[in-house]
Amino acid sequence: RKEVEQDPGPFNVPEGATVAFNCTYSNSASQSFFWYRQDCRKEPKLLMSVYSSGNEDGRFTAQLNRASQYISLLIRDSKLSDSATYLCVSNNAGNMLTFGGGTRLMVKP
Amino acid sequence: DVKVTQSSRYLVKRTGEKVFLECVQDMDHENMFWYRQDPGLGLRLIYFSYDVKMKEKGDIPEGYSVSREKKERFSLILESASTNQTSMYLCASFPSMNTEAFFGQGTRLTVV
Repeated sequence: RKEVEQDPGPFNVPEGATVAFNCTYSNSASQSFFWYRQDCRKEPKLLMSVYSSGNEDGRFTAQLNRASQYISLLIRDSKLSDSATYLCVSNNAGNMLTFGGGTRLMVKP
Repeated sequence: DVKVTQSSRYLVKRTGEKVFLECVQDMDHENMFWYRQDPGLGLRLIYFSYDVKMKEKGDIPEGYSVSREKKERFSLILESASTNQTSMYLCASFPSMNTEAFFGQGTRLTVV
C-alpha cells in the first residue's frame, strides 16, 4: 500500500464547477501536509499548506482529518487555468516528503 | 526568490555510462531530495540529505548514489546507467519541516 494515495483521475469538469480531491495517508507520524500543483512538463509548485483547522486561499480550501488520515482540496468556480495535476504531500518527523501519485484535473470551457 | 537549479534539462546517455545529475540551491537549505517521476507512478524518493555529508536512502535507491560535499549542492549519480532509469529527475530543497519545498526544473534523462 502506498504511503500517500490519491485518485489519479482525470477529473473532467466544466468551468465554474466545484471539484474536490481527497488524499489518504498511512503514516500516523506524518506531521505536516501540503498540496502542490504540477503543470505538464513542469516542476511541482506549492499550492497551499494544510492545517488541522482547515485553511482557505481564495477559491481553494484545504482540510485535514487526522482521525481518518485524509486531506482534501476543494476548488470552487473552476477556471481553465486550474487544469493541472494536484499532488498531495506529507512530511513525517524525519523530514521526509512523500508524494501521492497526483490527481489530474481538466477544466473544460 | 529561492532558486533550485539542475544542471541539465535534457540528457541522453548510453547504457553502462556513469551519469552525474547536479542540483544547486541558493538559500542555505539543510534538506535536499532527489526524486524520479514516471507516468502512473508519481514522484518516488531516491535519496535525501539533511546536512552536508549526510545521506539517507529513499524508497528506490538501487542503482543510484549521492554526494553532498557542500550544503548547496546535492549530486545524484547513476553508477552504470540502464534503460529502466530513463525518467524525469527532480531535485528539491527546503529549510525545515512544515515549510515549502522548492523544486528544480527537472532533468529528463533518456538512456539508450
